[in-house]
Order: sequence, then structure tokens, then C-alpha cells
Amino acid sequence: EAGVVQSPRYKIIEKKQPVAFWCNPISGHNTLYWYLQNLGQGPELLIRYENEEAVDDSQLPKDRFSAERLKGVDSTLKIQPAELGDSAVYLCASGRTGLGEQFFGPGTRLTVL
Amino acid sequence: ELKVEQNPLFLSMQEEKNYTIYCNYSTTSDRLYWYRQDPGKSLESLFVLLSNGAVKQEGRLMASLDTKARLSTLHITAAVHDLSATYFCAGKHNNDMRFGAGTRLTVKP
Repeated sequence: EAGVVQSPRYKIIEKKQPVAFWCNPISGHNTLYWYLQNLGQGPELLIRYENEEAVDDSQLPKDRFSAERLKGVDSTLKIQPAELGDSAVYLCASGRTGLGEQFFGPGTRLTVL
Repeated sequence: ELKVEQNPLFLSMQEEKNYTIYCNYSTTSDRLYWYRQDPGKSLESLFVLLSNGAVKQEGRLMASLDTKARLSTLHITAAVHDLSATYFCAGKHNNDMRFGAGTRLTVKP
């Protein structure tokens, strides 16, 4: 079974530039999560999807961050414009409703200069 | 809001020694998870604990859950170098999943 796929793995941009991350969850998983992980800390939830519906986006900074999950499969997370403090690893995870267990992708390491 | 605290945050162990990582959480958690993360890698699921008194073991790692004390432990038996990694616990309440800050474990010869 293929795992969660994320791209790109690394991204370096200058501040005020836009950036987008892509996630392909495990086949059959209806829930999808985007997390932010700062160095030395645990993941922090940004947004959770059940199928194509964003059911929890309370922690998503909506002034600059946006996400979508068209057709309830792949998802993209966008930052526009990026700020220096956005430098972090962005993790995507997927799972099935009710079981709770999440399977994580390799992450995208973003560096904002 | 569910809060999850781990201790210690850093743990340096000698091989063949035993140690325990503690995970406290602030409110009722539907279930408790343990993950492992190697440097530069993503999180790998180790255990899912569903109920009070649950105990799961895999190799040299054993996880347990005490819902009354709101405490989970990850016990390491006879540590080996391959166990060096960061270990996270996470609690889940009403679909809200919260992670601890992680315990960075280093096993030295």
C-alpha cells in the first residue's frame, strides 16, 4: 500500500512570495489533515477534512493560508504571501473516520528567506 | 481544549538500560497515540491505545494507558541504538488531535 505522498519535499522562497504544497492521501482514506511542525515541537493541526469538507479550520491563519481538497482526494495548502515565521515543516496525514489513527507523509520543509 | 505534556523532553540512555517516557493529558481523551520520528523523516505510528488499562508491546517498546490518571507511558526495555529518535504522544478528543512536544531519545553505547 502506497503511503501519503507530498510534494515538493523542500521549498525555499523569499518572503512575500506565494507557495503551494500538494498532498495525495492513502487510497480509501476519507480524512485528510494538514499540520505545521516547528523545529523541536510536535505537529500542530492547521486544517482537517472529512471527504471534501473542511470540518476544522479553526487553527488556519486565513489571512494568508488557504487549502482545498477537490473531489475529496488530493489536497493543496497555499500560503500567500509567505512570512519569515512560516518556515517550518508542513505535514499531511490521512486516515479513516472513526479509527482516528493517522498516517503521515514525509512533509515539505519550507524555508522563507 | 486538550493539552498534552510529555516528559522528559530529552533523554540520553545507555544501551541495555530501561526507561519510561510519560505523557499526561488535560481532559478526557478518546484514545492515545504514540509516534516515532527520525531526524528529517515523518511520523511513524507505533501504538494506538483505546481504553483504560490498555497495554501494547512491540519489541522493546511497551505502551500503557491509565485514563483515570490521564497518563500514558512508553516503556523502553534494554535500549539499543536503533531506538534513538523523537517520540510523540498524542491525545484525541472530539476529533481534535493534540500532540505533545516530543521526547528526544538518544541511546549511547
